[in-house]
Amino acid sequence: EAEVAQSPRYKITEKSQAVAFWCDPISGHATLYWYRQILGQGPELLVQFQDESVVDDSQLPKDRFSAERLKGVDSTLKIQPAELGDSAMYLCASSLSVAGRSYEQYFGPGTRLTVT
Amino acid sequence: GDSVTQMEGPVTLSEEAFLTINCTYTATGYPSLFWYVQYPGEGLQLLLKATKADDKGSNKGFEATYRKETTSFHLEKGSVQVSDSAVYFCARNNAGNMLTFGGGTRLMVKP
Repeated sequence: EAEVAQSPRYKITEKSQAVAFWCDPISGHATLYWYRQILGQGPELLVQFQDESVVDDSQLPKDRFSAERLKGVDSTLKIQPAELGDSAMYLCASSLSVAGRSYEQYFGPGTRLTVT
Repeated sequence: GDSVTQMEGPVTLSEEAFLTINCTYTATGYPSLFWYVQYPGEGLQLLLKATKADDKGSNKGFEATYRKETTSFHLEKGSVQVSDSAVYFCARNNAGNMLTFGGGTRLMVKP
């Protein structure tokens, strides 16, 4: 069964350093999402892509976060500089999109970030 | 804005007990509703979904009915197992298919 791949699974970094996460969606899924999940809370959407275009990044802290999906397939989320409050699980999800309608989202295993 | 509220946990049950986890949502638009499950250290797995009023989603013995009149989507299972121990998230989507999640409910099932 096809899955969303994410790497690394765990990342420990010091504050003020740069960190990057990678996501490879299920093949054929045009829509890709990045979520942040703080421990004990539900995930919150950071950015949504349709192919290579950003659909919504209203909740992305753009002073330090950036996301790209250059070829409309895999995606990278970057934080520079990292802050202590960025410690969380970063989840990637993808969904099929047909005739402008998107279907259920499938999640990857996540990257757990710890900022020290 | 859109929001989802679910009962706080943890919910602790004995094996074979009946489970209900309450979930209510804001009634803007015509959302689809979802239950996701998260096992320790893992991502979210879609458990079940319902796309319109009165639909019942079901999977692995879990059920939830889309109740428009009460804006609810409560999760139920008739007989829980130890392996059901996890965190359960209720969610709704919006017109752009962005998901809004509840805060999660931790279920612990004891043998």
